[in-house]
Amino acid sequence: NAGVTQTPKFQVLKTGQSMTLQCAQDMNHEYMSWYRQDPGMGLRLIHYSVGAGITDQGEVPNGYNVSRSTTEDFPLRLLSAAPSQTSVYFCASSTTFLVRGKFYNEQFFGPGTRLTVL
Amino acid sequence: AQKITQTQPGMFVQEKEAVTLDCTYDTSDQSYGLFWYKQPSSGEMIFLIYQGSYDEQNATEGRYSLNFQKARKSANLVISASQLGDSAMYFCAMREGSSPFNTNDMRFGAGTRLTVKP
Repeated sequence: NAGVTQTPKFQVLKTGQSMTLQCAQDMNHEYMSWYRQDPGMGLRLIHYSVGAGITDQGEVPNGYNVSRSTTEDFPLRLLSAAPSQTSVYFCASSTTFLVRGKFYNEQFFGPGTRLTVL
Repeated sequence: AQKITQTQPGMFVQEKEAVTLDCTYDTSDQSYGLFWYKQPSSGEMIFLIYQGSYDEQNATEGRYSLNFQKARKSANLVISASQLGDSAMYFCAMREGSSPFNTNDMRFGAGTRLTVKP
């Protein structure tokens, strides 16, 4: 059980280039999401998906596309990279479960991808 | 609008003492979930504890407990018997929704950097 995996760990792009950040989870979670983390700003949601074939925008979606063709995979595409997209990107998956009559919601994060756009 | 506020950019605590990390939130929803995450210098996000808005008892997980004061909209994290390995960034987060299985996006605070002194 690998949890949430992300590739690559590091990436350097030139302005205008496109690329895809990969994310996969093996926990059969229905909910997956992408965040970016900038210094002093915590994490901000880019896009999320509530299941295969369903995606929606988060707080900062511009410049990014996502798709969810399977439960396991949720790639994030940068269409035309800009220096403002230099950040650390985290993929996450989550689920809700019932334990002794109480609902628990957990969200697990991947290790992150550090992206630099020159 | 800022939904999660962490007013302590940095905190220091002596090893083996307890420490409280503050978090206040803003929501008009009656149902929501509150989370705390730890981010060590290695960068991964580690889930610590969850509190549902309808939970009457404060959540506890080992040395972590969440001091949930609903009327004040605060969800402070208490770490008892601090250890050197607790030195990290700590993020408070909230997910709003009308169902325990809510799929709304999660909003994060800016984080508090905790340093445990030997």
